Amino acid sequence: GDSVTQMEGPVTLSEEAFLTINCTYTATGYPSLFWYVQYPGEGLQLLLKATKADDKGSNKGFEATYRKETTSFHLEKGSVQVSDSAVYFCALSFSGGYNKLIFGAGTRLAVHP
Amino acid sequence: SAVISQKPSRDICQRGTSLTIQCQVDSQVTMMFWYRQQPGQSLTLIATANQGSEATYESGFVIDKFPISRPNLTFSTLTVSNLSPEDSSIYLCSVVGRGLNEQYFGPGTRLTVT
Repeated sequence: GDSVTQMEGPVTLSEEAFLTINCTYTATGYPSLFWYVQYPGEGLQLLLKATKADDKGSNKGFEATYRKETTSFHLEKGSVQVSDSAVYFCALSFSGGYNKLIFGAGTRLAVHP
Repeated sequence: SAVISQKPSRDICQRGTSLTIQCQVDSQVTMMFWYRQQPGQSLTLIATANQGSEATYESGFVIDKFPISRPNLTFSTLTVSNLSPEDSSIYLCSVVGRGLNEQYFGPGTRLTVT
């Protein structure tokens, strides 16, 4: 079945370090891909999305490119801040937002000053 | 994006009782979903709340345990029935955004069953 695999956490970085969180997917078709972020004690926020191959989603300095050839959607940020400490979820869905989201396990990021 | 509120934000309930969670959206939306996030885990879809018809449940979730109502295009409730400690989770509702290709989530309801 369709699934999402994320790198295990926690990921611990110093402030201003480069961030990569790997995400790969298995799907029978061409899904839309998303990154959501969950800050401590809060609900999920949509961080960025890409709806077709080679699309790049970006927001708040974060970027991810939809790579069909490697079935990947890795999240990157050039310089992380303490305020980026959160859990990051990669997810896919079909039919745009009308179908269910299938989430990865989540990756916890801790950024230290 | 839509503004979504949930009530209650958290609750502690005794085994065998039920909890009803409300989800209110500030605009009319076609699709509403209910997810469960067990402690330290990812999110799993419970059901899709359909306006004017019965909810559509995912495998492993049944209407008797998780009855859902969707009386109009801005409101839905999820009831978690006959609570057990295994039901301790965060329950989140989500809606499809105007762009029709993303979902937005409410703040969640943290349920603890003792």
